[in-house]
Order: sequence, then structure tokens, then C-alpha cells
Amino acid sequence: GEDVEQSLFLSVREGDSSVINCTYTDSSSTYLYWYKQEPGAGLQLLTYIFSNMDMKQDQRLTVLLNKKDKHLSLRIADTQTGDSAIYFCAESIGDNKLIFGAGTRLAVHP
Amino acid sequence: DTGVSQDPRHKITKRGQNVTFRCDPISEHNRLYWYRQTLGQGPEFLTYFQNEAQLEKSRLLSDRFSAERPKGSFSTLEIQRTEQGDSAMYLCASSLAAGGSFYGYTFGSGTRLTVV
Repeated sequence: GEDVEQSLFLSVREGDSSVINCTYTDSSSTYLYWYKQEPGAGLQLLTYIFSNMDMKQDQRLTVLLNKKDKHLSLRIADTQTGDSAIYFCAESIGDNKLIFGAGTRLAVHP
Repeated sequence: DTGVSQDPRHKITKRGQNVTFRCDPISEHNRLYWYRQTLGQGPEFLTYFQNEAQLEKSRLLSDRFSAERPKGSFSTLEIQRTEQGDSAMYLCASSLAAGGSFYGYTFGSGTRLTVV
């Protein structure tokens, strides 16, 4: 079935890089997404990658996709306290819906 | 355009009551989605519309749930005879799908439902 797995918690020091990992099951997913959710708020799209790409870079964000292993990662360079949030990985099923992981809570400490 | 709007932001209701939520999507978006998010989990797909047609419903959407998008613009999600297990954040999203291309979702801030 369709499933997305993420580690639940990551703690990093301010200024270090954060790497959040995700595995998914549907090999036909066209797009894979990273969303950010701050307390009490909706989901903010951070970035997405098309399934025929290996890497995408957008300012401090780098997405790596290993389609063979169905593994997606999000690297945040120079992590700041404002990056503290829950990060969700999602895969597209057809072009109709997204399947989300349970989210990784990123805590940034001084 | 101010993005996807949801109303109300919070709703507390007694078990057994009916509740209705509203979503106003981005005006040029033809697709509208409802998701439910419980504490500590990612959002789960409930249903989606293309224009006014409801094209898919999840198994999660029991008979007590009904969604409409009568004119292809705003949508309502009604829950009848609420149960404590319905307590969750209900998220609406919209997107533009045209010519076989998909341009990603924009989510609203959600309606948090608490059933007491």
C-alpha cells in the first residue's frame, strides 16, 4: 500500500546543517514534497522535486532523491531557530492526492 | 489573492451535534481538497473536487461526513452526529490542474475541531 516513513525527531545546533530523511513506497509518484508546519498553523510548501531528478537546490534547502531506494532527504544549511517546526515528506498519488509521513520535529538549540 | 481561507479557525462542539466548515480556495484553482490531521500525525486525504464534481472520497469519510462545492468555488465539509474521534485539524487545500500538469497544493490554516 501507500506509505511514507520519517524519523520523528531531530535536534541540531544553530548554524549546523539538518538532514531529514524519508522513505516512500509508491514508485509511480510523480512529485515528492517537503512541507513545513509551525505550531497551530497550516502547511507551508518548502520545496518539491520531480521524480526524474536526483537533486534540487533552493537557497539553504537541498533535496536529494534516490528513486531506486525510494529515499528522499531534505538538507537545511546553516539551521536557524526559525527553522524549528515539523517537516512533512509527501508523495503524490496520481495527480489527485498526497500521502504524508507523520512528520519530523526539528528542534534547533543555541 | 490572500490564499486559501478556512472558517472557523476553531470549533468546540458537544458530542452528537452537527458542524460545518467552510473553505475558500485560491480563485483560479479548479481543484479543492480536504484533509484531516490528528495530533502527532501527518494529514490524511479525505476527498477532492475538480470544479463542482466530487471525484474521490477516502474510506476515512464515513456516512456522517459530507462535502460539497456547489458552484465550483468555495466548499463546505459537514460532520453529522459528531464523535470524540472526530476531533482533529481539518485542512483544505487548492490547486490548479490543467493540461495534464499539476502545480502543487496551497493549504489553508485549518479548522481545529474539538468534540467534548
